This record gives sequence, C-alpha cells and structure tokens, in this order.
Amino acid sequence: DSGVTQTPKHLITATGQRVTLRCSPRSGDLSVYWYQQSLDQGLQFLIQYYNGEERAKGNILERFSAQQFPDLHSELNLSSLELGDSALYFCASSVGRGPYNEQFFGPGTRLTVL
Amino acid sequence: AQSVTQLGSHVSVSEGALVLLRCNYSSSVPPYLFWYVQYPNQGLQLLLKYTTGATLVKGINGFEAEFKKSETSFHLTKPSAHMSDAAEYFCAVIMNYGGSQGNLIFGKGTKLSVKP
Repeated sequence: DSGVTQTPKHLITATGQRVTLRCSPRSGDLSVYWYQQSLDQGLQFLIQYYNGEERAKGNILERFSAQQFPDLHSELNLSSLELGDSALYFCASSVGRGPYNEQFFGPGTRLTVL
Repeated sequence: AQSVTQLGSHVSVSEGALVLLRCNYSSSVPPYLFWYVQYPNQGLQLLLKYTTGATLVKGINGFEAEFKKSETSFHLTKPSAHMSDAAEYFCAVIMNYGGSQGNLIFGKGTKLSVKP
C-alpha cells in the first residue's frame, strides 16, 4: 500500500459525458502527479501540482483539467469524453517539487467510455 | 526529443535464471534514470534510480541496474528470478536541464513472465 488513494476504482460512462477522478496523496506529500496509461499511448505524464499550484504540464488535452485543493487532495476533470479516453488514470505523490523525488503511485482509476 | 526504448515487450525466464531487461535512452545530456515495477492491478512502484555518482545502482527485491553513458543504456538485472518477480517493468527518464528538470518519460514497458 503506497498511501496514495484514488476514487473511484472503476468508472463507466458514455461519450460526451464529464467525470471527476479524485486523488489523496500520502500524508506530508506536497506534489501530486497525474498519468494516463493506455494500450496505444503507454504511460504518459499529464500534469503536476505542487502545494496547490500547477507546476508542470505534459500531454494533457484541453478537455482535461486538474486542481489541487488546500487539503492537498487533487481532482482530474475529464469532459466531452471520447472513446479514446478509455484508460487507466494514475495519481502519484511525492514530498518535493522536483520529479526526481520518489513518486508513490495510487492503484489507479479505470475509465471506460462507451 | 528524448525517448526511452525498452527492447522486448515480453520476456520469459525460468525460475532461478538471470533476468535482463533492456533500456536505452536518447539524450545528449545524461538524464536521471528510473526503473518502476507494476504488479497486476496495482500502481507503479520505484525499483531503483540513478541521478549522479556510482553507475551501478542497487534497488529493492535484489534488482540492480548499471548506467552506461557510452551505450546510453540502463539495463535492469537480477541474478536469480523468483516467481514473485512476474510483473511489468518500466524504464523512465527525466532530462536534467541544469536547474530545471522535465518530468518522467516512460518506456512502453516489458512484461516479465517467470516459469516454474
């Protein structure tokens, strides 16, 4: 158990819909990272927040957005969903700001778009 | 642009045999290098990382990796495979731009099977 929690574990929705994925980092970790894992694209970095502020952006679509709240939990919002958004979405957390700090991964949220 | 190549999407070894998972990166500047493991239905777990210093890095569960700058490689090895090593392994890099680092870029992964 990494100490990072993600909810829900599974999510099934239809095209065009909007969903919110939630992540609670390990106690004391200030950075939260979001990743997407799909069969065709592999594991891709989406976005990082550090202590409530966006720190780095990766291959995140404009239809996706994220935020980190004062209690440090984070939410990833996915809108106007397409079939290709079906994937496993991981959240990770680390103590520091830099990505070279060990990142602890949650168990993931499996999103299925029908 | 930097990239990470893992040779072999599937590797199968017998229990007790040597495990060798290959990773090459493309970068003119030595990056930070990582190996992560993903067990079925779980998130990723850091096995080991190389940032600076000794090029032979020891990690958890008996794994180690050697950074070879001349070969731009960071292959993962374990002398004797155990059934519990069956998992997917990901090599990842971070470019070190002096004081500013990018984020993790992952290879496609190598699924390791261990036969009894």
